[in-house]
Amino acid sequence: SQTIHQWPATLVQPVGSPLSLECTVEGTSNPNLYWYRQAAGRGLQLLFYSVGIGQISSEVPQNLSASRPQDRQFILSSKKLLLSDSGFYLCAWSTGGSPLHFGNGTRLTVT
Amino acid sequence: AQSVSQHNHHVILSEAASLELGCNYSYGGTVNLFWYVQYPGQHLQLLLKYFSGDPLVKGIKGFEAEFIKSKFSFNLRKPSVQWSDTAEYFCAVNTPPGTYKYIFGTGTRLKVLA
Repeated sequence: SQTIHQWPATLVQPVGSPLSLECTVEGTSNPNLYWYRQAAGRGLQLLFYSVGIGQISSEVPQNLSASRPQDRQFILSSKKLLLSDSGFYLCAWSTGGSPLHFGNGTRLTVT
Repeated sequence: AQSVSQHNHHVILSEAASLELGCNYSYGGTVNLFWYVQYPGQHLQLLLKYFSGDPLVKGIKGFEAEFIKSKFSFNLRKPSVQWSDTAEYFCAVNTPPGTYKYIFGTGTRLKVLA
């Protein structure tokens, strides 16, 4: 069966520090991978999606970037965090039009 | 722009009450539709989905949803809620079907009083 792993679960980082959140999927090949940010009362905002290794599309201009170095690995990064980057980040995968499958999320607090 | 609207942001019900959460979308073409639930401290889980066929879809835990194409709606229902249904519920649309594009509503927080 397919599983998705996302870490860390919580993270507190100072303003200006770098960020790296990792997500890996097991049990499926060539998934579509996604990074969402969830904010209270605002639903889920798509940040990045990837349909293959090295292929990244950004939905919202921001201080973040994403990379897909391997088929089932998706990384969310920042060189210098801003206070406004605080939030709850979710990784997800899908194949074709299947439902999205979400990881447990990372609660990021930038201080 | 394509959007998904969930008009009820907060709902409070007593146990055994009936539930209906509204979801409307703005896309005029073919869509895949989903309801997700997020229990406190847990990840988003799929409740049910609609791709085609019978517009009345049954999901887990006694939930169902009805797709009404003419109203661009996909409302979630449960005849009798339980305290354990306390959670946040999200409606989502995949459009065009099979693409990367999943659009989520802003969510509805349901609190069920014991």
